Formats: sequence, C-alpha cells, structure tokens
Amino acid sequence: KQEVTQIPAALSVPEGENLVLNCSFTDSAIYNLQWFRQDPGKGLTSLLLIQSSQREQTSGRLNASLDKSSGRSTLYIAASQPGDSATYLCAVSTGGTSYGKLTFGQGTILTVHP
Amino acid sequence: DGGITQSPKYLFRKEGQNVTLSCEQNLNHDAMYWYRQDPGQGLRLIYYSQIVNDFQKGDIAEGYSVSREKKESFPLTVTSAQKNPTAFYLCASSISRIGTEAFFGQGTRLTVV
Repeated sequence: KQEVTQIPAALSVPEGENLVLNCSFTDSAIYNLQWFRQDPGKGLTSLLLIQSSQREQTSGRLNASLDKSSGRSTLYIAASQPGDSATYLCAVSTGGTSYGKLTFGQGTILTVHP
Repeated sequence: DGGITQSPKYLFRKEGQNVTLSCEQNLNHDAMYWYRQDPGQGLRLIYYSQIVNDFQKGDIAEGYSVSREKKESFPLTVTSAQKNPTAFYLCASSISRIGTEAFFGQGTRLTVV
C-alpha cells in the first residue's frame, strides 16, 4: 500500500527566506506527483504536476523535483512571502487502471512572517 | 469559468439522518472523486467514478453512497451508517488518462449536531 510522508509537519520562516518542503513515498511505481496548496477552510489549488518521467517542474518562484527511484520529491519556494502561508500537500497517483486516484501526505503548514 | 462547484459550503446533520453533498463540474472531465479530510490525517478517498453509470469504492467507502447518472455530476450521500461523519469533504475531477492532473472544488464542511 502506498504511503506518503511530508516533512516537516510545520514550518515558520521570516519573509524573504528560501525554503524546502519534503515529500516521500513508499512505492516508486507512480504515474505522477502533484503539489497542492490549501488555505484554511478552502479547497486544494494545484501548484505543480510532475510526470513520472520528469525530474522537475517550475512555476514562478516554485520548483518541484522528483526522484522516483528513491521515492522523494521536494518543493522549493524562493523568496518566501506572507501570502505563501498555507498548508502544502503532496499526492501521488498509482494503482493500475485506477490511475486518477491520489494518495496524500498529511501536509506541511507553512507560516511566513512579515 | 470552468471549474468544480460543491454545495452547500456548510452542512449540519442530525443523528440518524442521511444528507447529500453536491458536486458539479463543467470541465468535461470523465473521472470524478470524493475525498474526506480530517485534521492531521490528510485526505482519504471515499469513492471514485471514471465513466458515467460506473463507480468504485475507495479506502473508506463504508457509510457512504454515490451515483453517477450524468458526466457533470457526482453526488455523495452520507448515510446514518457513517458513525463519524463530521469532516471536510472535497470533490475532484480529472481527465481519464494516465498522468492527468486533478482539480478540486472548494469543499463542504459537514457537522453532526
């Protein structure tokens, strides 16, 4: 059974700092990995999608890497801002013909101080 | 604008009552999903459907039921058999192919009173 772990569970940093969020998964047979952002009481917003054949994806100040063989992904946030404060979730897609099913980590709660 | 609409935003259920959560999408996606989110436990899959008139149980289907009569709609019923229904419920959709991206609605918070 696929298990996804995110470290750290919570992170508090001053504005402007570069930071890294970590995600690990136990079964390397994934189709893709997706990073999401969730604001309190809201739904999930997709940030980056990395296909299993890719090593990284970039969007603005965000960069996500994937090392499928070691079961790890990192989300790098450059020059953090208070507006980046949210919960960040990673999820992997596995499961034969049920390829849309996602297994989620428990998330990293990020707080960026002004 | 294309997207996923969940309603209501807040829902209150009395003990022994069935309630239905609505999920509608206009993204022309074949696949739809229901997840449950509890504090500190991440999201867990309840049910999913890859085509109309077909759906499969996820990891925590007991006490829930779904239907998929239209491509755009995937309602979730929380039955009285669900012993701990208080949670945040999220609906998602995607294209039915390998490697596709999932999109989520804004969620429904269900509370038992």
